Amino acid sequence: EADIYQTPRYLVIGTGKKITLECSQTMGHDKMYWYQQDPGMELHLIHYSYGVNSTEKGDLSSESTVSRIRTEHFPLTLESARPSHTSQYLCASRLGTQYFGPGTRLLVL
Amino acid sequence: DQQVKQNSPSLSVQEGRISILNCDYTNSMFDYFLWYKKYPAEGPTFLISISSIKDKNEDGRFTVFLNKSAKHLSLHIVPSQPGDSAVYFCAASGAGRGGSEKLVFGKGTKLTVNP
Repeated sequence: EADIYQTPRYLVIGTGKKITLECSQTMGHDKMYWYQQDPGMELHLIHYSYGVNSTEKGDLSSESTVSRIRTEHFPLTLESARPSHTSQYLCASRLGTQYFGPGTRLLVL
Repeated sequence: DQQVKQNSPSLSVQEGRISILNCDYTNSMFDYFLWYKKYPAEGPTFLISISSIKDKNEDGRFTVFLNKSAKHLSLHIVPSQPGDSAVYFCAASGAGRGGSEKLVFGKGTKLTVNP
């Protein structure tokens, strides 16, 4: 069973607010990922990291930013939330098999 | 251009029968394939994987078949149970199981198992 955690699980916030979605894993995996998923759609990769101080943008353009200061921690930040950011955000880590956290459902009003 | 396609958005089967979920891919560099199960408002859960050196992998009620020449894989669930009702995602990557290639996901198939 994978030990990967995301907080908060649900977030309702007003337009213009700054938010940080937390993701942490205790498996020591170097590779970590952030995906965005809307209902009925595929998972879109928005950020990934292959280790400390390494971050790359994914296939789907996103206004969010990420940081990787510690191996176990990969937070995602939105400086100014907008309704178009409403989605489910999924964090994952990988050694061989990729494991996902429980996700954060974000609603921006 | 979708590299991983799940052409059936939904599938409905009776409890106890076989569920077959299909997935096609276009990139011949993919050599590692995975199936995930996802409930609403939760993260995907890893189910089963297969490397391109195999054509079948079995784990309990779940079996994945890979046909490399057709670029097609399928997930069989036997017998299906109501708790299997979820969205199933097919995913693929290249450069081997531990490779640095990112996973590419299909759009998912919603499976409903009726009691």
